Amino acid sequence: QQPVQSPQAVILREGEDAVINCSSSKALYSVHWYRQKHGEAPVFLMILLKGGEQKGHEKISASFNEKKQQSSLYLTASQLSYSGTYFCGTETTGGFKTIFGAGTRLFVKA
Amino acid sequence: SQTIHQWPATLVQPVGSPLSLECTVEGTSNPNLYWYRQAAGRGLQLLFYSVGIGQISSEVPQNLSASRPQDRQFILSSKKLLLSDSGFYLCAWSRRGNEKLFFGSGTQLSVL
Repeated sequence: QQPVQSPQAVILREGEDAVINCSSSKALYSVHWYRQKHGEAPVFLMILLKGGEQKGHEKISASFNEKKQQSSLYLTASQLSYSGTYFCGTETTGGFKTIFGAGTRLFVKA
Repeated sequence: SQTIHQWPATLVQPVGSPLSLECTVEGTSNPNLYWYRQAAGRGLQLLFYSVGIGQISSEVPQNLSASRPQDRQFILSSKKLLLSDSGFYLCAWSRRGNEKLFFGSGTQLSVL
């Protein structure tokens, strides 16, 4: 079952923060986050494994609450380069496949 | 280092024609392989995945099929394309489950 992402779209000014949420109706083992620019392949940002860990990548970080089956991606002090569509992907225990949400379109303007 | 090759980059095909998209991975062995499709402005839909040679799992019943004739080769096929098969097709690989996906550069397929 496809995870649900929210919001569907976000418009930010440079320097503003944003949070993108991802929730699933199934028990999760891992959550992936990717960013895709128009016409290009998705680029891996980070993966969070069962255990409630939080990860960071420059000014982008994420958390995973396995009990709530939710993950959030935090973008701080956004830059123009952050524009794109963000996808969360989820995997269940023992699974081999990543199922993606519908995506969140992020537009950062100067 | 590992690389993934996917071709062609763009393809325009008439309705009813056959399709063959190929993807190869270099620099690793026994990867998990995946085909995703992305309709214009939409999300990534998993079509097929494979955890070994000759093993294919289909996620969505449709007009497509996949094969893995060699360890690092994954092929997406159709005997007769439909208009609804148009989209951006992405091949991807991972070392195993619950590890990051490495995507190919994609094939933009237009069925007219």
